[in-house]
Amino acid sequence: DGGITQSPKYLFRKEGQNVTLSCEQNLNHDAMYWYRQDPGQGLRLIYYSQIVNDFQKGDIAEGYSVSREKKESFPLTVTSAQKNPTAFYLCASSIGDRTRKSGYTFGSGTRLTVV
Amino acid sequence: GDSVTQMEGPVTLSEEAFLTINCTYTATGYPSLFWYVQYPGEGLQLLLKATKADDKGSNKGFEATYRKETTSFHLEKGSVQVSDSAVYFCATYSGAGSYQLTFGKGTKLSVIP
Repeated sequence: DGGITQSPKYLFRKEGQNVTLSCEQNLNHDAMYWYRQDPGQGLRLIYYSQIVNDFQKGDIAEGYSVSREKKESFPLTVTSAQKNPTAFYLCASSIGDRTRKSGYTFGSGTRLTVV
Repeated sequence: GDSVTQMEGPVTLSEEAFLTINCTYTATGYPSLFWYVQYPGEGLQLLLKATKADDKGSNKGFEATYRKETTSFHLEKGSVQVSDSAVYFCATYSGAGSYQLTFGKGTKLSVIP
């Protein structure tokens, strides 16, 4: 079955370390997105990519970086410059110009904790 | 830009009670509207959608009608169950310049036996 796989489900990071969250989809979706979710704050967009080798900053990109070298993959790196990285991270994808009818498909999330 | 306003939670209901979660939107043109559900510790799942005015989306006993005259897409269910306890997100897509959905802040629903 097609879907989005986020790994790992739980991740612990020491302060000052970079860490990379994986997001892989086999839905043949063009567009991919990263969101951060904090308790009671809804979803905040970090980065998004509409095509391979191109991506744009969202509302809270500072301290994060991404790459889109393959259509299927959109990894997110949380750098040491991110002041408060402890959060639940969600990856999503959509069919580009069919987003109007289909919306997004989400992964199951990665919970990052700084220790 | 687009925006979505949902009723603030948390909402606590007894089992078999009637549920309404209000959602209003601001968007250009003729947006599509979505409701997503997030169970504890999981990602969001599409619950239902409507792509044009007066459409009714429905799934798992939940319904929402796209009301363009009131710019609303309220979520309803006639008889909630404990298993409906989750966070519900309303979202809109107008396609203005990107493929992005605009989400509301979410409404947490707790159903008690």
